[in-house]
Amino acid sequence: GAVVSQHPSWVICKSGTSVKIECRSLDFQATTMFWYRQFPKQSLMLMATSNEGSKATYEQGVEKDKFLINHASLTLSTLTVTSAHPEDSSFYICSARAGTEYGYTFGSGTRLTVV
Amino acid sequence: AQSVTQPDIHITVSEGASLELRCNYSYGATPYLFWYVQSPGQGLQLLLKYFSGDTLVQGIKGFEAEFKRSQSSFNLRKPSVHWSDAAEYFCAVGAGQAGTALIFGKGTTLSVSS
Repeated sequence: GAVVSQHPSWVICKSGTSVKIECRSLDFQATTMFWYRQFPKQSLMLMATSNEGSKATYEQGVEKDKFLINHASLTLSTLTVTSAHPEDSSFYICSARAGTEYGYTFGSGTRLTVV
Repeated sequence: AQSVTQPDIHITVSEGASLELRCNYSYGATPYLFWYVQSPGQGLQLLLKYFSGDTLVQGIKGFEAEFKRSQSSFNLRKPSVHWSDAAEYFCAVGAGQAGTALIFGKGTTLSVSS
């Protein structure tokens, strides 16, 4: 079945530094990838939608200059949290979809802690 | 606007008892509906999904859900709950267009008492 690999699983970084999270579709081509954010005991909130080779579409309230999304190939999307601050600490999850496939495949998530 | 409502924030069920988690959606197009389960600190696991056809959908771990278009509902059920079912459950709605993201409900926390 479709598998999405997300790395790292967890990361601790210092305030002011940048962190990159990778999301790879291992056995299918993901024309569209989605990035979600989940605060403790809350639901998943869509941050942005990215299509291969084009700029990501960000949801209202998400700072595109802070959360840089790159979808350079059909199997890789990256989320870079720039100049991270403690309030950016959260669980980030990616999801991939292959063209007209109806299913959504999720990565295992990345726990980001900014200290 | 698309939305998913899970009216119950927290439910406690005795082990062996039946379970029903409620989900209502608001969606302009034909909805594709999903139920996911999440254990603390873990990712999402797909329980079941509905795209079309038979409105009663069977999933993993003995779960099932019924799509009721007239009620805009997609409630999750299990006839006999096990202690290992304690987790967070999310209902989500999407669409057939490739670029459409899943929209999640706020989730229901299931506790299982012995």
